[in-house]
Amino acid sequence: GAVVSQHPSWVICKSGTSVKIECRSLDFQATTMFWYRQFPKQSLMLMATSNEGSKATYEQGVEKDKFLINHASLTLSTLTVTSAHPEDSSFYICSATGLAARLQETQYFGPGTRLLVL
Amino acid sequence: RKEVEQDPGPFNVPEGATVAFNCTYSNSASQSFFWYRQDCRKEPKLLMSVYSSGNEDGRFTAQLNRASQYISLLIRDSKLSDSATYLCVVSYNFNKFYFGSGTKLNVKP
Repeated sequence: GAVVSQHPSWVICKSGTSVKIECRSLDFQATTMFWYRQFPKQSLMLMATSNEGSKATYEQGVEKDKFLINHASLTLSTLTVTSAHPEDSSFYICSATGLAARLQETQYFGPGTRLLVL
Repeated sequence: RKEVEQDPGPFNVPEGATVAFNCTYSNSASQSFFWYRQDCRKEPKLLMSVYSSGNEDGRFTAQLNRASQYISLLIRDSKLSDSATYLCVVSYNFNKFYFGSGTKLNVKP
C-alpha cells in the first residue's frame, strides 16, 4: 500500500511553455502533498506543501505565481511550471501523507518528473 | 543552522563491512525520524522509521538519541546494492519534514 504516482515521468519543452505535473495517491487518501525539486548532486528542496481544498504553502524563495499548485481532491495534486525557462530544468518529486494513522507520519514519494527546458 | 545535518561522505567501504552514519537535528521538539534511501536519479524510498527504542530490520539498525539530538543508521555486512545516498528526515509535526543533504555510500567489491 501507499503508492504515489507521477505523470509525466519526463518532459522536454521549449522555453516559455507551461508544464503540468500530476501527483496521485493510488491506494490511499492523501491529506497533505509535498512538492520538491532536486538539482543534480544536491539535496531535495521543499517547494510547497498543499492540503486538499486549501491554498498551498510555499517555501521562502519559491514564486507561487510561477509554480502553481492545485490540490483539488484527496488523491490528486498538480504542479504547473508556468513559462518555463532553462533554469527550471530539474527533477520534481511529490510526496504524500495520508489519513490513516500509519500513513500520517511517513511521506511516500512519487517516482519524480524530469523536466528539461530548452 | 540547518534543521538536519549529515556528513555528505562519500563513505567508501568494502563488501561485508559494517558502516554507520549519524545525523543531527536542531529542534528538540522533533517527533518523528526516518531514514530514506535515494538511488541516483530516483525518488527517495523509505528505509525505516526510527523509534525511541531503536529499530532493526535485517542488516539495518537505526537508533535515536534524544539527549544529544542525533539519529544513527548502522549497516552490517554491506552489499554492493547498498550503494546509495542515505537521507535523514526529521519532522516535528506531520505537516513539515526536514531532509538532510544525504550521506553517500559506495560499497566496493
